[in-house]
Amino acid sequence: SQTIHQWPATLVQPVGSPLSLECTVEGTSNPNLYWYRQAAGRGLQLLFYSVGIGQISSEVPQNLSASRPQDRQFILSSKKLLLSDSGFYLCAWSSHPVMAEAFFGQGTRLTVV
Amino acid sequence: DQQVKQNSPSLSVQEGRISILNCDYTNSMFDYFLWYKKYPAEGPTFLISISSIKDKNEDGRFTVFLNKSAKHLSLHIVPSQPGDSAVYFCAASDQGGKLIFGQGTELSVKP
Repeated sequence: SQTIHQWPATLVQPVGSPLSLECTVEGTSNPNLYWYRQAAGRGLQLLFYSVGIGQISSEVPQNLSASRPQDRQFILSSKKLLLSDSGFYLCAWSSHPVMAEAFFGQGTRLTVV
Repeated sequence: DQQVKQNSPSLSVQEGRISILNCDYTNSMFDYFLWYKKYPAEGPTFLISISSIKDKNEDGRFTVFLNKSAKHLSLHIVPSQPGDSAVYFCAASDQGGKLIFGQGTELSVKP
């Protein structure tokens, strides 16, 4: 069966510090991978998605970047965090091509102080 | 540009009655639509989906309706139960891998 791992669960970082959130998927190959952010009281905003190794699509220009160094690994990064980067970050995967549901990790609560 | 819109941020329904959650989309390239349920501090869980070649899909108490000409879909929950109380997100995907979510509707089912 397929599983998705996302860590850490919570993170408190100072403004200006770097960020690295990692997501890995097991039990499937060549998945579509996604990073979403949910700000307080808001919806799920698509940040990045990837349909293959090294293929990253950015939906919203901002202070973040994503990389997919391996087939089932998706990393969300920032060189310098801003206060506005605080939120609940979710990684997800779906079968490729997308005609099925996406499965989500448990999320990372990031607080930038 | 909000490609998937849920215009009702909240909905309150009496237990046993029907809950109807609505969603509109603007991108005609979307060809697969999904509904998710989410609790605070957790990832969303999949409920039901529908392909653009259909206009209705039913799974137990949950039914999703799709009106392609109006670019509108809805989720019906019958009968509603207190355990259904959560935030519901609709989502839409295209063949290019993009999966876009709406803003969510918080459903409260009162005993």
